[in-house]
Amino acid sequence: GENVEQHPSTLSVQEGDSAVIKCTYSDSASNYFPWYKQELGKRPQLIIDIRSNVGEKKDQRIAVTLNKTAKHFSLHITETQPEDSAVYFCAASKASGGSYIPTFGRGTSLIVHP
Amino acid sequence: KAGVTQTPRYLIKTRGQQVTLSCSPISGHRSVSWYQQTPGQGLQFLFEYFSETQRNKGNFPGRFSGRQFSNSRSEMNVSTLELGDSALYLCASSTLTGTYTDTQYFGPGTRLTVL
Repeated sequence: GENVEQHPSTLSVQEGDSAVIKCTYSDSASNYFPWYKQELGKRPQLIIDIRSNVGEKKDQRIAVTLNKTAKHFSLHITETQPEDSAVYFCAASKASGGSYIPTFGRGTSLIVHP
Repeated sequence: KAGVTQTPRYLIKTRGQQVTLSCSPISGHRSVSWYQQTPGQGLQFLFEYFSETQRNKGNFPGRFSGRQFSNSRSEMNVSTLELGDSALYLCASSTLTGTYTDTQYFGPGTRLTVL
């Protein structure tokens, strides 16, 4: 089955710095890659996603890049703010029975120091 | 639209008991998936239902089962509870984008503690 590795497990930055989280996947059939943010005690929320026919996608301070050949994708957050502190999960999804079923990375705890 | 809701939010059970968790998807969403979240194993896929049919299943024992009703509400059942079943159980709903469902919208979860 699919295997998703996510690094680093913890990332500590100063407010205003950039943060980069990297994920690799094993199954070349995966073609939908969402990123979720989970604040303490809250539900995971989709922050950005990318499909395999696109190499990069940006939404304000957040961007995601995808390298299908190398099977890795990354989340970039610029000008980090304390409210960006949370656990971030990447996922690699492939079609199965009419749905894209995600396999999640183990998460990155991002801490933004004021 | 109202988000995904789950009941109950917290549950304490003892080993050997069984438990039923409930999930109401976003209106119009026909796909409901269930996930187990633990510090040790992360977020793991349990199963997915679409229009009352189980379409996908993860690698969990048969003690974990589910069903979906005609209004898309879903229930998950765990029988013969074990200590290792203590976890946050999340459900997520999604809708068709083209011919597939993709983006998962999560509920707040049910925190299950097995003593």
